Amino acid sequence: QQQVKQSPQSLIVQKGGISIINCAYENTAFDYFPWYQQFPGKGPALLIAIRPDVSEKKEGRFTISFNKSAKQFSLHIMDSQPGDSATYFCAASWGAASKLTFGTGTRLQVTL
Amino acid sequence: KAGVTQTPRYLIKTRGQQVTLSCSPISGHRSVSWYQQTPGQGLQFLFEYFSETQRNKGNFPGRFSGRQFSNSRSEMNVSTLELGDSALYLCASSLSGGSAGANVLTFGAGSRLTVL
Repeated sequence: QQQVKQSPQSLIVQKGGISIINCAYENTAFDYFPWYQQFPGKGPALLIAIRPDVSEKKEGRFTISFNKSAKQFSLHIMDSQPGDSATYFCAASWGAASKLTFGTGTRLQVTL
Repeated sequence: KAGVTQTPRYLIKTRGQQVTLSCSPISGHRSVSWYQQTPGQGLQFLFEYFSETQRNKGNFPGRFSGRQFSNSRSEMNVSTLELGDSALYLCASSLSGGSAGANVLTFGAGSRLTVL
């Protein structure tokens, strides 16, 4: 059972534009929602994370928006740069942060 | 500060064989988790070890097993390999895990297993 649905599967954004990736979850017990960035040949790296008691969290050019009632959260990358080209995964967990349920990933390409 | 180290990085096995993958966590990290990454199924949780004990387990058959040593290093083993076991196996460590969001998972670069 897929518990975290992620869209789009791929995304092409021009340099300086805004990249938006969306995720929806089913399990209302989830209480930790991180986003990971993965470059080819590397393991995923934590980008930013949020808890459901906060509707938005911003770190530099990266912002998570969280809608608890809709069971949705999204990642916004402002002023997207070619170096942001990577695969992004949303995830969710409850109880134990080590047991993450991941979305299917979004391959982002930022063009010049 | 050294990151999570996984060995070997690449390996090729044939069906029916077994394989052991190794993971050295960040110094001071006591929790080690394993994930399988495939194009079809994405990232899936295998199991987590903390203080040499399996604390959580994903939905994988018993052919997948692991263990953790007193120095927090961990190994995972896959027996009777199947073609579908071809994947990138990722290890992640954290300080202690347990409380949601309290500990950041740091992933290694993975061990890419190809089963022929």
